[in-house]
Amino acid sequence: GAVVSQHPSRVICKSGTSVKIECRSLDFQATTMFWYRQFPKQSLMLMATSNEGSKATYEQGVEKDKFLINHASLTLSTLTVTSAHPEDSSFYICSARRRAGNTIYFGEGSWLTVV
Amino acid sequence: LAKTTQPISMDSYEGQEVNITCSHNNIATNDYITWYQQFPSQGPRFIIQGYKTKVTNEVASLFIPADRKSSTLSLPRVSLSDTAVYYCLVGVYNTDKLIFGTGTRLQVFP
Repeated sequence: GAVVSQHPSRVICKSGTSVKIECRSLDFQATTMFWYRQFPKQSLMLMATSNEGSKATYEQGVEKDKFLINHASLTLSTLTVTSAHPEDSSFYICSARRRAGNTIYFGEGSWLTVV
Repeated sequence: LAKTTQPISMDSYEGQEVNITCSHNNIATNDYITWYQQFPSQGPRFIIQGYKTKVTNEVASLFIPADRKSSTLSLPRVSLSDTAVYYCLVGVYNTDKLIFGTGTRLQVFP
């Protein structure tokens, strides 16, 4: 199956700093990538949709200035959590849709802990 | 976007067949039905996808009735390692968003 890789898998940062999470599609081109957030024992919440070469579309209630998304190439999207606070601590998951096809594949997820 | 409804949880024993049904009454003509499995602290893993009738792969079968208002994921002979959360999603082919519902937490006992 298609592989989507996230890095880092775990990161701890200090409150007020920024942290970047990368999402790569390793064996296919992804015109669209998605970013989700998941709290323990809850479902995934879609944060934003990222299209290569254009601005991301954010879901209602998600602060675009806080969660910066860049999709510079067909295989890479990044999520930057700016001025992180403890309440931003969560499991962040990216996914990517193949350029051709209807299946969306997910990355392994990234745990962010803000202290 | 079609909303999906699944049982919150299910219990089973090793070796049994498990059927998880998902309701999606507002499914649109171009919607596909996709099931994912998620283990704790991991991203969801694609299981199976279908549009109508029956689809089978090496790990599961997906049954979709003619009206497509529901679908059933069938896991043959589950093992302890099948303990996970299973999500049913409905997505429009030419739009992008997949919205997750609550999922079904399957617990397999020895």
